Amino acid sequence: QKEVEQNSGPLSVPEGAIASLNCTYSDRGSQSFFWYRQYSGKSPELIMSIYSNGDKEDGRFTAQLNKASQYVSLLIRDSQPSDSATYLCAVNKGNNNDMRFGAGTRLTVKP
Amino acid sequence: NAGVMQNPRHLVRRRGQEARLRCSPMKGHSHVYWYRQLPEEGLKFMVYLQKENIIDESGMPKERFSAEFPKEGPSILRIQQVVRGDSAAYFCASSPPGASGNTIYFGEGSWLTVV
Repeated sequence: QKEVEQNSGPLSVPEGAIASLNCTYSDRGSQSFFWYRQYSGKSPELIMSIYSNGDKEDGRFTAQLNKASQYVSLLIRDSQPSDSATYLCAVNKGNNNDMRFGAGTRLTVKP
Repeated sequence: NAGVMQNPRHLVRRRGQEARLRCSPMKGHSHVYWYRQLPEEGLKFMVYLQKENIIDESGMPKERFSAEFPKEGPSILRIQQVVRGDSAAYFCASSPPGASGNTIYFGEGSWLTVV
């Protein structure tokens, strides 16, 4: 079982729609969860972090965490063409800051 | 993330040569991570280091690859006797000291091409 799993996509949504990205992880001891965005040929950049069960909202982005189900998601409301990128889920491994990434989900937002 | 400095940004090596990639973490950060990304693939963890200490190298290939983070100077990822399959983007990230939950910040990456 992979440590962090994501649907590779591609996920295509029309402009203005909600994009939903999902991630599961294997280490029950993980406490910190992150979503990064990566444009082609560029380095990953942090979008959001979440540490507690429930929802965390930041602008058009909402991260959701369910530790019992070992599941993290990212919702992007009012999707824009500029949101087209690969979205990487990251989870810390165990009780230190050892970080693992999923393979990423490629999102395309069509005008 | 602009504070994590990687060089060179692009490196071309012939098969059998050595590649050295350098990473200077953000100011105040004492933890460094190296990840490899093949074209159209995700980030693969390689190694996690503190100053003068390897915390986790479970993602490092057993042969030809090594990493260090000396007391002074940048972290170095060294690939000996490169092969075409080593062609990839190598990303370095850093985080501050302390307990888990710290965000890691990425450098711009080093693109290695083996010809």
